[in-house]
Amino acid sequence: DADVTQTPRNRITKTGKRIMLECSQTKGHDRMYWYRQDPGLGLRLIYYSFDVKDINKGEISDGYSVSRQAQAKFSLSLESAIPNQTALYFCATSDPAGTGDEKLFFGSGTQLSVL
Amino acid sequence: GDSVTQMEGPVTLSEEAFLTINCTYTATGYPSLFWYVQYPGEGLQLLLKATKADDKGSNKGFEATYRKETTSFHLEKGSVQVSDSAVYFCALESLDSRLTFGEGTQLTVNP
Repeated sequence: DADVTQTPRNRITKTGKRIMLECSQTKGHDRMYWYRQDPGLGLRLIYYSFDVKDINKGEISDGYSVSRQAQAKFSLSLESAIPNQTALYFCATSDPAGTGDEKLFFGSGTQLSVL
Repeated sequence: GDSVTQMEGPVTLSEEAFLTINCTYTATGYPSLFWYVQYPGEGLQLLLKATKADDKGSNKGFEATYRKETTSFHLEKGSVQVSDSAVYFCALESLDSRLTFGEGTQLTVNP
């Protein structure tokens, strides 16, 4: 099983709909992140959470909200989806106290299309 | 704020060709630098890293050297394979431990 699991893998929705993307992890990491990936723009940070009671805006948080339901779960919501939110969304976790080289562990992504 | 700039892509090479993907950065202090790779349909995974000036990160035949004087961390491989086709991201670790990514470079290697 994957350490960082995102659901759904793909979603098509209409403008104005509310959408929730879910992320769960089995790595036991306190830190979780949501990024979006757009061609030519790389990955941009939407929101991040350093523990269950900590939520922080990233560089492009407008139009998004998050919920950290537990250490293992971090959900991203689009309250009223718009077409320019069409993108590939990644959840990631990190353990700054870890001794390995890996800095971020990524899920496989959710491709969201807003029509 | 911190930023990362990668060479404009995409890059298309023949198998066994030499690869260079340029990366330069702007940051406070001397951040750790990373290259991540994204294979089709997958999330990003760490390829290599360097934590201080003149460090060389290496993995799977790829190398990158942390050049403080030119604020660069160019990715190189002497002989690419078809299986190296992927998107490559340069990244730096900011003072608050977050990662800032470059735009990504699509590499296609033809047989």
